[in-house]
Amino acid sequence: SAVISQKPSRDICQRGTSLTIQCQVDSQVTMMFWYRQQPGQSLTLIATANQGSEATYESGFVIDKFPISRPNLTFSTLTVSNMSPEDSSIYLCSVSWGEGMNTEAFFGQGTRLTVV
Amino acid sequence: AQSVSQHNHHVILSEAASLELGCNYSYGGTVNLFWYVQYPGQHLQLLLKYFSGDPLVKGIKGFEAEFIKSKFSFNLRKPSVQWSDTAEYFCAVNWGAGNMLTFGGGTRLMVKP
Repeated sequence: SAVISQKPSRDICQRGTSLTIQCQVDSQVTMMFWYRQQPGQSLTLIATANQGSEATYESGFVIDKFPISRPNLTFSTLTVSNMSPEDSSIYLCSVSWGEGMNTEAFFGQGTRLTVV
Repeated sequence: AQSVSQHNHHVILSEAASLELGCNYSYGGTVNLFWYVQYPGQHLQLLLKYFSGDPLVKGIKGFEAEFIKSKFSFNLRKPSVQWSDTAEYFCAVNWGAGNMLTFGGGTRLMVKP
């Protein structure tokens, strides 16, 4: 299994500012994912963070708003830019562990973001 | 687009009652299926998973799920719930492309003591 650490665990931010969330994995992994869980809702995939190439964003998410870095196989960051109250959510880092189709996902504890 | 549906958004049960939470997915290709649980204030934990083989899979804490390919379903069951099962339950599907998961909307379960 993989152990994932996210920082910060929570933050309260002013609108218009940006927050960078860090995700550290205890093993090298090929694929890392960033999800958002809005209040009372399910998880939505924001993007897939690929090492050595640009992140792949899902529909409705853009790089200018959610820039992602993936400098190596154990670390990634997600930045929430120019925040508004609608960005208040839990942001989760996830990795796939295993081979081929026999993979499962592990999640960090999440970053609870409140924008005021 | 591929999607995952959970039919029950909120479920309230008394202790010792039986539980079944529905999950359907939209695509008939090869899938991996998961149920995750999120206890209040905690992060997501894997309850059980199906990759192949016996369609009836057993997970932690007495949970099981049955994969019915013809119905595109993967329902979660527990014969007798406990107060400590109060949590939100998420069904998730991996269609293999990129290994990312698509989640259902979640079911919030409350078990009354």
